[in-house]
Amino acid sequence: DTGVSQDPRHKITKRGQNVTFRCDPISEHNRLYWYRQTLGQGPEFLTYFQNEAQLEKSRLLSDRFSAERPKGSFSTLEIQRTEQGDSAMYLCASSLAGTASNEQFFGPGTRLTVL
Amino acid sequence: AQSVSQHNHHVILSEAASLELGCNYSYGGTVNLFWYVQYPGQHLQLLLKYFSGDPLVKGIKGFEAEFIKSKFSFNLRKPSVQWSDTAEYFCAVGGSSNTGKLIFGQGTTLQVKP
Repeated sequence: DTGVSQDPRHKITKRGQNVTFRCDPISEHNRLYWYRQTLGQGPEFLTYFQNEAQLEKSRLLSDRFSAERPKGSFSTLEIQRTEQGDSAMYLCASSLAGTASNEQFFGPGTRLTVL
Repeated sequence: AQSVSQHNHHVILSEAASLELGCNYSYGGTVNLFWYVQYPGQHLQLLLKYFSGDPLVKGIKGFEAEFIKSKFSFNLRKPSVQWSDTAEYFCAVGGSSNTGKLIFGQGTTLQVKP
C-alpha cells in the first residue's frame, strides 16, 4: 500500500500522560499536514510542513502540542500532558507542492481517547 | 474569516433519488474547492476538485459539482444515488496560491435506504 499511513490507529491514555503519533506520507510528497477531527465535525487544520520546515501552525495548536518532520519524510505529533478535550481523531495528509490543485491525500487517522 | 458551511447535516434518501448537497464558503482570494467522502470505516477520499477552468466538474462514481463564484458555492450533485453512497461528505476550500491548509465544512451524513 503506497498511501499515507499512520501509527498507532488507536491510542487510549490517561489524563496527564504524553502521547506520540507517527505519519508516513506518500513517498514523493513533500508536504505533510496534521488535522484534528472531533465527532460530528470536519477536520480542523493543525499544522503543515514542506520538507522539514514547519510552515504554518494553527492557533488550535497549544504549546502542549509539537510536531516534527526531521528528515522531510515521516512526521511525529506529540501531545504532552493530555487532557480529555484532546480526545479526537488525528489525521495526517500529504501532497505535492507545486501542483495546481494542491490535492491532499489522507491517512486512516489515529483515534485518541483520553480517560 | 475563512469558513465553509454545509447546509445539510443529515440527509436520508431512497435509492435512485437525486442528491444535492449544499456548500458555501467564505475565503479571500482565488480558491481551490474539494469534496471528500468518508465511507463507513474508511479514510477520507477525494470525490472531485475544482481549481480552474470549467466550473462544472465531474468526479468519481457519478458525482459532479458546480462552482458558482458569484454565490460562493460549490454544491455536490448526483442524479441517482445508490445504497453504496451512504457516507459522510465534506466540502473543503484551499487557497489557489498553494498556501497549504484546507478548511473543511462540518460534513453531511448521507444515508441511502435500499
